[in-house]
Parts: sequence; C-alpha cells; structure tokens
Amino acid sequence: AQSVTQLGSHVSVSEGALVLLRCNYSSSVPPYLFWYVQYPNQGLQLLLKYTSAATLVKGINGFEAEFKKSETSFHLTKPSAHMSDAAEYFCAVKEGGYQKVTFGTGTKLQVIP
Amino acid sequence: DTAVSQTPKYLVTQMGNDKSIKCEQNLGHDTMYWYKQDSKKFLKIMFSYNNKELIINETVPNRFSPKSPDKAHLNLHINSLELGDSAVYFCASSQNSPMDEQYFGPGTRLTVT
Repeated sequence: AQSVTQLGSHVSVSEGALVLLRCNYSSSVPPYLFWYVQYPNQGLQLLLKYTSAATLVKGINGFEAEFKKSETSFHLTKPSAHMSDAAEYFCAVKEGGYQKVTFGTGTKLQVIP
Repeated sequence: DTAVSQTPKYLVTQMGNDKSIKCEQNLGHDTMYWYKQDSKKFLKIMFSYNNKELIINETVPNRFSPKSPDKAHLNLHINSLELGDSAVYFCASSQNSPMDEQYFGPGTRLTVT
C-alpha cells in the first residue's frame, strides 16, 4: 500500500533563505510522485512531478525536487524563498496502474520578511 | 476559460438538509475525483469515476452519493447533512495514465449549522 509522510506541518523561513520541505513515501512498486501547492482559498495546482525520467525534477516558480530511491524521499527545495511562496504544500504518491492518489498531510510554508 | 469548475463556491445550510455540488471539466479527461479537505487541510479522497464508471469508493457514509452523467461532469449529492460534513470539497480530473497529474477545481466550502 502506498503512503506519504511529510515531516513538519509548519515551516518558517526568511525571505531569500533556502526552502526545504520533506517528503518520504512508501510504495510496493516504483511510484509516481507529485508536489502540489495550495494558495489560500484556492484549489491545488501542480508544482512538479517525478515519472522516472530523471531523478532531479524542476518545476514551476523555481522549485525542484530530487527522487532518492535509497532514502524513499522526494524533498522539495527552492534556493531563495519569496513572499509569494507562502502557501500549503502537499506531497502525493500514485502507484502505477492505479488511479488512487495518496496525499501527505501538508506543510504550511511561512515566509518571514 | 476555467479547466475544472465547481458550483456553488460557498454553501451554508442547516443540519438535516440535502444539498448538491456540481463539477465540470473541459479538459477532455476521462477520470474525475471528489476530495474532502478538513479544517486541518487534510485531503481525503472520496470517490473517483473513469468514463462514468465508479472506480474508487472510499469509506464514505451512504449519505454521500456521486453521479456522473457524462465524463465531463461529476456531481456530489449529500443527504441529511451533519455538522461533521462541514469542509471544503474539491473536484479534480486527470488523464488515465498514472503519471498524469490531477487538475483541481476551486473548491466548495460547505458549512453546516
């Protein structure tokens, strides 16, 4: 069975500092992994996804994530936080051949000016 | 030109009432979903339809009944509303491939008083 663990329900960073949001997954087969962002009072939108083509995945707004099979991790990073990055971030996993997506519990990113 | 739309955006109603939420997608996707997001931002999948056929039916009270008249529409009807049903309900759609991401609607905030 697939599952996702996001460490840290709240993360605070200063503007211009590195953003690191952690995600670990559990899957019985090679997974497909996603990061979504949710701005206040909006639906989720895709930041980036891992589909086995490359382990380092670049997404929108300067975010990237690295798939590490040995660590079962897919952490999200951004070199320099911007005020507009303040939002809720969700990691998600989907097993191949199966339409069910399992979401993590979310991490709220606060950016301090 | 909204990809996934939901109506209404806000719904305030009393316990015991019956209400419906409508969802439409113009992306040509075959799969549609309903999610419930609680006050702690936890996302729980409720149902999924693939080309009008129910493929995911999580542990959801029988008071919730989805209906897909065609593959572009997925509605959610809720009978005998309870206080615990208060949440934000998101509709989403995706292609059939497991590597494809989901596209979310803006959400419907349901408040049961």
